[in-house]
Amino acid sequence: EAQVTQNPRYLITVTGKKLTVTCSQNMNHEYMSWYRQDPGLGLRQIYYSMNVEVTDKGDVPEGYKVSRKEKRNFPLILESPSPNQTSLYFCASSFRGLAGGPTGELFFGEGSRLTVL
Amino acid sequence: AQSVTQLGSHVSVSEGALVLLRCNYSSSVPPYLFWYVQYPNQGLQLLLKYTSAATLVKGINGFEAEFKKSETSFHLTKPSAHMSDAAEYFCAVSDRGLTGGGNKLTFGTGTQLKVEL
Repeated sequence: EAQVTQNPRYLITVTGKKLTVTCSQNMNHEYMSWYRQDPGLGLRQIYYSMNVEVTDKGDVPEGYKVSRKEKRNFPLILESPSPNQTSLYFCASSFRGLAGGPTGELFFGEGSRLTVL
Repeated sequence: AQSVTQLGSHVSVSEGALVLLRCNYSSSVPPYLFWYVQYPNQGLQLLLKYTSAATLVKGINGFEAEFKKSETSFHLTKPSAHMSDAAEYFCAVSDRGLTGGGNKLTFGTGTQLKVEL
């Protein structure tokens, strides 16, 4: 079954304790991205990756890191979480289109709800 | 810069009534437009997409949307609402003129659809 898998689905942590949210896709997609969803703000892009070892900042990258060492995996790292990073996080992936960029037809994971106390 | 505006954060309809969810976009290049749906505790999934072919686009579950360039709109409709349509709906715009800058899929803030008996 084609899917994007995120772990953990739920996490409560404390300020400053490093954490990693994993994301894995089994569709051989070149493009992967992380979004956060907050009430009234919709989805905002944190980081994206066009291919292995190629990553770039989205609209709200502060306080986050990513890596893309393998095509299927795209972990999100919070080195020193703060309460304003309490949010619902989504990983998404897609193929690349004919022009080289992603098609925009994203496949989403089920989300990871993070609470930072 | 591109953006989408969804009018009405909450829409309530009776079962069997017309569903109309509004989306207006702003883009400096001809856009790709999308509607995504998010059911409770799930990730987003693609409902339909416009990529410059037919202006009336049909999607899953009986939904359709019409691209109107003169009005910069891409409203989502369904002739007859069903209880199972209750979800949050997101309009999104993608800049198709990508030059290596990555996916600029920009989401609206979402519209929560409630279907009443």
